Amino acid sequence: DGGITQSPKYLFRKEGQNVTLSCEQNLNHDAMYWYRQDPGQGLRLIYYSQIVNDFQKGDIAEGYSVSREKKESFPLTVTSAQKNPTAFYLCASADLRQQGEKLFFGSGTQLSVL
Amino acid sequence: GQSLEQPSEVTAVEGAIVQINCTYQTSGFYGLSWYQQHDGGAPTFLSYNALDGLEETGRFSSFLSRSDSYGYLLLQELQMKDSASYFCAVRQRGSGNTPLVFGKGTRLSVIA
Repeated sequence: DGGITQSPKYLFRKEGQNVTLSCEQNLNHDAMYWYRQDPGQGLRLIYYSQIVNDFQKGDIAEGYSVSREKKESFPLTVTSAQKNPTAFYLCASADLRQQGEKLFFGSGTQLSVL
Repeated sequence: GQSLEQPSEVTAVEGAIVQINCTYQTSGFYGLSWYQQHDGGAPTFLSYNALDGLEETGRFSSFLSRSDSYGYLLLQELQMKDSASYFCAVRQRGSGNTPLVFGKGTRLSVIA
């Protein structure tokens, strides 16, 4: 079945540690996105990518980094510079040739600080 | 930039009809989308209005009025499983692909 997979489901970060969240899709979508969700805050955009080897910062990119070496993969690294990383992280993809507003989301990663 | 305003919470009775409003401020956008998210789950796409008017998909309908900078999601014959958060979203017009911007969401509680 085609879809978008995030792992792990739960992740714990120690002080000063970088952690990487995985996002893989087999939908052949060009566009991929990372959103952060805090309670009552909706979804805020961290980074997005329209094509391999290219990505743009979203509204809250500070303390995060991404790469897009393959069309299928868009990992997010939460660096030690992100002082408040506890949140629910959602990855999404979209087929821009069809309906760019229809995002397909992964099941999310809950990141907590130890 | 753009901003979207939605009520934070709505409560409705099973079997009833509920309307979730979304007002927005943006200099230009492609259309208004709606997503549903159950607690702990992933958001799922519900509807998209590119043009003014009403779009119906089963029990759910969505409406857009560009002149009023306003849209809404209408849920009919409410069921307990409709208890979830609902987000409106827009994609601003610009060069190349621009990402979706989401409202803060409306938490719908369906009660018996």
